[in-house]
Amino acid sequence: EIVLTQSPGTLSLSPGERATLSCRASQSVSNYLAWYQQKPGQAPRLLISGASNRATGIPDRFSGSGSGTDFTLTISRLEPEDSAVYYCQQYDTLITFGQGTRLEIK
Amino acid sequence: EVQLLESGGGLVQPGGSLRLSCTASGFTFSKYAVSWVRQTPGQGLEWVSAISGSDDGTYHADSVKGRFTISRDNSKNTLYLQMNSLRAEDTAVYFCAKAPLGSCTNTRCYNFDYWGQGTRVTVSS
Repeated sequence: EIVLTQSPGTLSLSPGERATLSCRASQSVSNYLAWYQQKPGQAPRLLISGASNRATGIPDRFSGSGSGTDFTLTISRLEPEDSAVYYCQQYDTLITFGQGTRLEIK
Repeated sequence: EVQLLESGGGLVQPGGSLRLSCTASGFTFSKYAVSWVRQTPGQGLEWVSAISGSDDGTYHADSVKGRFTISRDNSKNTLYLQMNSLRAEDTAVYFCAKAPLGSCTNTRCYNFDYWGQGTRVTVSS
């Protein structure tokens, strides 16, 4: 099973700042990696697929990069509504999720 | 508008069984793979099972293999999860999720572009 490790566990930033979230895979997943945002009481929402392709309707403040084992989700110009838990997911070999990064907006 | 609506959750005793359903609308159901993903209280996401659009391929996570069975009825636009021999650690919110593809290719699968709101399963005596 491919294990995804996300860091940091929690990130606390102010509006307007930039957030950098990391996802590391235990073996290469090529670019078969997605990012999701989940707010309390809601289902996850797809942000990024194929490591760097924004999903429909996602603002260009959200960007993804990386390939192989190291991936990054960057959120520029943070807004209060970006407060959520962010998960990465690999789909190169079946499907696994990272444990999540909680982003708090001060 | 794509919609996925789960049902069938509830309280069940350890060792018991439960069948979850997910009714889909707003897209051609038979063309797309779908999965069940669960989330334990306060914890992260765990993929459970996947099935191809044409119902000719299924996959299950090791944690549920031999106990859970995923199936679909394309004539009813409905996905199912039959859960047997339930354990306390199966307690979770179960989401159905739609893939943008029809199937996994070998074991290379997919991300999820739409999710339901989930149904809660509690396994407790």
